[in-house]
Amino acid sequence: QSALTQPRSVSGSPGQSVTISCTGTTDDVGGYNYISWYQHHPGKAPKLMIYDVSDRPSGVPDRFSGSKSDNTASLTISGLQADDEADYYCCSYAGKYTFRSWLFGGGTKLTVL
Amino acid sequence: QVHLVESGGGVVQPGRSLRLSCTASGFTFNSHAMHWVRQCPGKGLEWVGGISYDGSNKFYSDSVEGRFIISRDTSKRTVYLQVTSLRPDDTAVYYCARDVDYYGSGTLSDWGQGTLVTVSS
Repeated sequence: QSALTQPRSVSGSPGQSVTISCTGTTDDVGGYNYISWYQHHPGKAPKLMIYDVSDRPSGVPDRFSGSKSDNTASLTISGLQADDEADYYCCSYAGKYTFRSWLFGGGTKLTVL
Repeated sequence: QVHLVESGGGVVQPGRSLRLSCTASGFTFNSHAMHWVRQCPGKGLEWVGGISYDGSNKFYSDSVEGRFIISRDTSKRTVYLQVTSLRPDDTAVYYCARDVDYYGSGTLSDWGQGTLVTVSS
């Protein structure tokens, strides 16, 4: 199984919005609503930002939102802040052929200009 | 407060084995599936495998199936990753993570800081 496809990098100015895409297939992203997004500041523990496509854990600002259309999931960050600069990873259930299997995307580096 | 601490990493020769540990605190350990995720140098996160709340189900990525074994000890609140037949491309930071579900949903709500495994002769 190949990693889900994410853009290598995106950028935006403070206050702007950016969207990070995550493209898979009908065997993973398109087939299930078990999509999660993680924020990773290098050297730190990854942090769950979105789960089940569009749900936010408590404590995550509503500036972060998720959606899905066909085989592509998206993470949108509005009102960009300096601390949003990090790597972002999507993750999808991919257990169509292998019991309980998950795939991460290749990661997207967000730069706040 | 949930706390996950990985240990056991280090430098190991190709072909050798290593056992990583992840000790948990701050939650009901035997109510959650647990996962291992790794990050190779300069690469993204890669799901390695997971284990259900009671250890009855274990699941692995194709890339490690047959070489890595996950287990858990409720009395020690610890999940293990036994890594065998190590290859240079297994060099990575290995993270453990808590699943929100008993059997594994893939929603990883809490992560440790990771432990570095370097495979080199």
